[in-house]
Amino acid sequence: KAGVTQTPRYLIKTRGQQVTLSCSPISGHRSVSWYQQTPGQGLQFLFEYFSETQRNKGNFPGRFSGRQFSNSRSEMNVSTLELGDSALYLCASRDHRGDKAFFGQGTRLTVV
Amino acid sequence: GENVEQHPSTLSVQEGDSAVIKCTYSDSASNYFPWYKQELGKRPQLIIDIRSNVGEKKDQRIAVTLNKTAKHFSLHITETQPEDSAVYFCAASIGNQGGKLIFGQGTELSVKP
Repeated sequence: KAGVTQTPRYLIKTRGQQVTLSCSPISGHRSVSWYQQTPGQGLQFLFEYFSETQRNKGNFPGRFSGRQFSNSRSEMNVSTLELGDSALYLCASRDHRGDKAFFGQGTRLTVV
Repeated sequence: GENVEQHPSTLSVQEGDSAVIKCTYSDSASNYFPWYKQELGKRPQLIIDIRSNVGEKKDQRIAVTLNKTAKHFSLHITETQPEDSAVYFCAASIGNQGGKLIFGQGTELSVKP
């Protein structure tokens, strides 16, 4: 099976812009979670999608949003980018019948 | 709120020695505890996990122990090798929120040859 795929790998954006990141889960996995990884805050949960519905949400402002499509692919969007949004954004794919979560290689977002 | 504390933040050992990383969780409803290894520039990789109905689990040189009463769980690596050098993260999740992992701050393990 192919692993979790995230695109793009790298992004540079300007403050105030918006960005969309994509995640394709492992075939058959219907749960996709998103995490922000920074040196200062570590790995922080953003949200989880399952069957096109947001099932859990972390403590991030409303500028961070996401969605999931019928093929389980997920996108996350960040609007009105701030310098502090610079981070590695990781998605994790999970078979909802089990516990194990598998990460993609991440999208490195730099806001300038 | 949910919180996972991880110690130490850095750990340096000689090749062949053992390494132990400890985590404490706050939410007593947590019932799944995975450990991830992240090498520089790579994705976090699941190396071992344990559910709350088990006290210990072992996979070759890696073992995890869980003390539900104290809300502690630990990663044990024996016979360390230079390729074990990486950042290790513990995490916890609650059964009906399986897609939400609360991570510790990470431990940077360095194994010196």
